[in-house]
Amino acid sequence: LAKTTQPISMDSYEGQEVNITCSHNNIATNDYITWYQQFPSQGPRFIIQGYKTKVTNEVASLFIPADRKSSTLSLPRVSLSDTAVYYCLVSDQTGANNLFFGTGTRLTVIP
Amino acid sequence: KAGVTQTPRYLIKTRGQQVTLSCSPISGHRSVSWYQQTPGQGLQFLFEYFSETQRNKGNFPGRFSGRQFSNSRSEMNVSTLELGDSALYLCASSTQREYNTGELFFGEGSRLTVL
Repeated sequence: LAKTTQPISMDSYEGQEVNITCSHNNIATNDYITWYQQFPSQGPRFIIQGYKTKVTNEVASLFIPADRKSSTLSLPRVSLSDTAVYYCLVSDQTGANNLFFGTGTRLTVIP
Repeated sequence: KAGVTQTPRYLIKTRGQQVTLSCSPISGHRSVSWYQQTPGQGLQFLFEYFSETQRNKGNFPGRFSGRQFSNSRSEMNVSTLELGDSALYLCASSTQREYNTGELFFGEGSRLTVL
């Protein structure tokens, strides 16, 4: 079964760049890596999705190495409102078409 | 454009009962997936439906079932409730024919407490 591992928590000061890494050793060959943000009492919200190399949108960048066994979400210049839990989402390579969320990283932005 | 709507938002059941949760996807979205979120196990995938067919299923016992109607609305049912079924149940909808591509739009969830 796929195993996705993330750091449990991270602290950062406002204005800094934050990098959160997800390890996914058994990702399916043709599957995408997606990151979500979740605030308390809300459903997760899409941040970014990628398949390989680098993807950038208006809120984040996603770096994926050639072996695709990990991915790094980069949040530039975080603010207090970025305090949330961040999840990566990948699929299992066994063919069960199972979707696996990472364990989640609780990011706390400090003033 | 209305978001994903889940009902009820909160409910309390006792062990052995069954529960049905409802999800109305964003208009035009044909894929609906369900997730269980608990403090101990995190976010776990239950199943996904596309055009009334279950396309993918996670590793949950048969007590957990679902269905999708022709208007894309979906329901999930949990029978013979156990204390460990207490969780936030999240529904997400998507336009994508291929699962795990594109953006999942989540509802706010249904919080189930089993006593």
